[in-house]
Amino acid sequence: AQTVTQSQPEMSVQEAETVTLSCTYDTSESDYYLFWYKQPPSRQMILVIRQEAYKQQNATENRFSVNFQKAAKSFSLKISDSQLGDAAMYFCAYRRISNFGNEKLTFGTGTRLTIIP
Amino acid sequence: DTEVTQTPKHLVMGMTNKKSLKCEQHMGHRAMYWYKQKAKKPPELMFVYSYEKLSINESVPSRFSPECPNSSLLNLHLHALQPEDSALYLCASSHRGLSTGELFFGEGSRLTVL
Repeated sequence: AQTVTQSQPEMSVQEAETVTLSCTYDTSESDYYLFWYKQPPSRQMILVIRQEAYKQQNATENRFSVNFQKAAKSFSLKISDSQLGDAAMYFCAYRRISNFGNEKLTFGTGTRLTIIP
Repeated sequence: DTEVTQTPKHLVMGMTNKKSLKCEQHMGHRAMYWYKQKAKKPPELMFVYSYEKLSINESVPSRFSPECPNSSLLNLHLHALQPEDSALYLCASSHRGLSTGELFFGEGSRLTVL
């Protein structure tokens, strides 16, 4: 079974600074997706960034970037120029790729990010 | 339209009540999901529907009864719930094909069982 581990229950960062959230996962599959979702107090789960395992290039989305180390099964999220609106619970998630397309999303335990003004 | 819409947003029910949660998407997704999320915890998968057929049931108690009447709608029927069933219930959908792989989530229905 696949597992996702986030070892930082809480993190805080000064506004405009950079913060990195850690995630490791365990799988025997070679093809899969990895995601970072954020869940603000409004509670909707919002996709921040995705990474396809077959791609060696790290994904970036504006101020958000990942460091994907497939051999080490590590997938960290870097947030640059942190903004107050980035405050949320961040979940790392794994999804196996299959022909059926109904694979579940497996979540880590989450990291609560606080932005200090 | 890239939304998953869930109703109601809040629901309070007694242990003897029967109620339903509803989820709707118009993105042409053929896989739909119910997740349960307790406070400060990650979402836990309950059910997956693929092409309107139940494909995954994560050993959920029978007091939760899912239904997928068509490709756009997903219901969760609730009956004889317990106070420990109080949680945020999230609906999600995804492309059946490989596509971008992500799940699109609704805002959730917060359920309180008295």
